[in-house]
Amino acid sequence: EPEVTQTPSHQVTQMGQEVILRCVPISNHLYFYWYRQILGQKVEFLVSFYNNEISEKSEIFDDQFSVERPDGSNFTLKIRSTKLEDSAMYFCASSGSGGNQPQHFGDGTRLSIL
Amino acid sequence: QKEVEQNSGPLSVPEGAIASLNCTYSDRGSQSFFWYRQYSGKSPELIMFIYSNGDKEDGRFTAQLNKASQYVSLLIRDSQPSDSATYLCATPYSSASKIIFGSGTRLSIRP
Repeated sequence: EPEVTQTPSHQVTQMGQEVILRCVPISNHLYFYWYRQILGQKVEFLVSFYNNEISEKSEIFDDQFSVERPDGSNFTLKIRSTKLEDSAMYFCASSGSGGNQPQHFGDGTRLSIL
Repeated sequence: QKEVEQNSGPLSVPEGAIASLNCTYSDRGSQSFFWYRQYSGKSPELIMFIYSNGDKEDGRFTAQLNKASQYVSLLIRDSQPSDSATYLCATPYSSASKIIFGSGTRLSIRP
């Protein structure tokens, strides 16, 4: 069964450094998402991406965050200057279409900011 | 703002019994609902989705939707220890957009 893949599985970074989290969505999917989950808390939406542009973003997704689809397969989340509070699991998801279609999640990247 | 509410649990169910997980939602206009299973430290895994009022069955899982009462449930028959996880109820916020997750119900199946 097709799946969403994420790399790396664990990223440890010094505060203030830039990180790039990578995702390969399911190949025929058109909608891409990033979520995060701080330990013990809810899964929170960060951003959705369709047709090479952001379709929606949350209040969390401020100027330090950016997303890109650099080629036909990868979807990346960049955090420009990391803060301690960015430590979380980051999940990439994709769906075949938007709206009511379920989203399929990757295994996540655990980001630890020191 | 749409909200999805779940009892955080833990819900403890003996092995072989039926586990019943419940979820309420605030927006009467919500059209579809997803149940995800999340093991500790892992990602959400889609196990059921339901769009219409009534029941939808898939193996040991049955999702139930009651739009009049704004209530969604998940039944797990013949519960197994491997079903022990947190179950997340979720609904799309708008087209091409985010999923709103509940805080999840922690289910524990005791042998």
